[in-house]
Amino acid sequence: DAGITQSPRHKVTETGTPVTLRCHQTENHRYMYWYRQDPGHGLRLIHYSYGVKDTDKGEVSDGYSVSRSKTEDFLLTLESATSSQTSVYFCAIRVGENSPLHFGNGTRLTVT
Amino acid sequence: DAKTTQPTSMDCAEGRAANLPCNHSTISGNEYVYWYRQIHSQGPQYIIHGLKNNETNEMASLIITEDRKSSTLILPHATLRDTAVYYCIVRRSYNTDKLIFGTGTRLQVFP
Repeated sequence: DAGITQSPRHKVTETGTPVTLRCHQTENHRYMYWYRQDPGHGLRLIHYSYGVKDTDKGEVSDGYSVSRSKTEDFLLTLESATSSQTSVYFCAIRVGENSPLHFGNGTRLTVT
Repeated sequence: DAKTTQPTSMDCAEGRAANLPCNHSTISGNEYVYWYRQIHSQGPQYIIHGLKNNETNEMASLIITEDRKSSTLILPHATLRDTAVYYCIVRRSYNTDKLIFGTGTRLQVFP
């Protein structure tokens, strides 16, 4: 168990509203990631972080921002939610530079 | 990164070994083979990875052919809880961020 908690687990929101998803880890790992999973697309990287205040964009970052003010928390914000952002969002951590990813249990977001 | 090919689905009787194949004929010398699985409604779970030698851990064994063009994940005594989608991924170890999961193999373990 990599000690990853995602919140909320489920959320329904309306188009145009901002939404923030939280990823919390208990073991002070440096590397954290946000992915989304959609049918036919597999897992796609949104943003990632290599430490406090050190973040970068992944392959599908448009419409998303992140913040990491503490090692244990990595926040994903949908600035103005759209229906195309309806998805399952997974947070992941990496223990070391050459170690595999470990994922949280996901947040299912529905934008109506 | 090398592309992988896996069967769409497989069945296995509970208590028997589940052998999940993966073809990665274009793998290059510095690319590792990773296996993950995803049980319905949960996040992907790391299982095992290897470069060229066979590997074993508490969850599974990974057998990689000598030419490294294919591999087999072995669950030695499958249980109903092993029912999941299994993904074979080829990736350079230092770049495990951008995992491309593909469609995987849906393993159904039956009583």
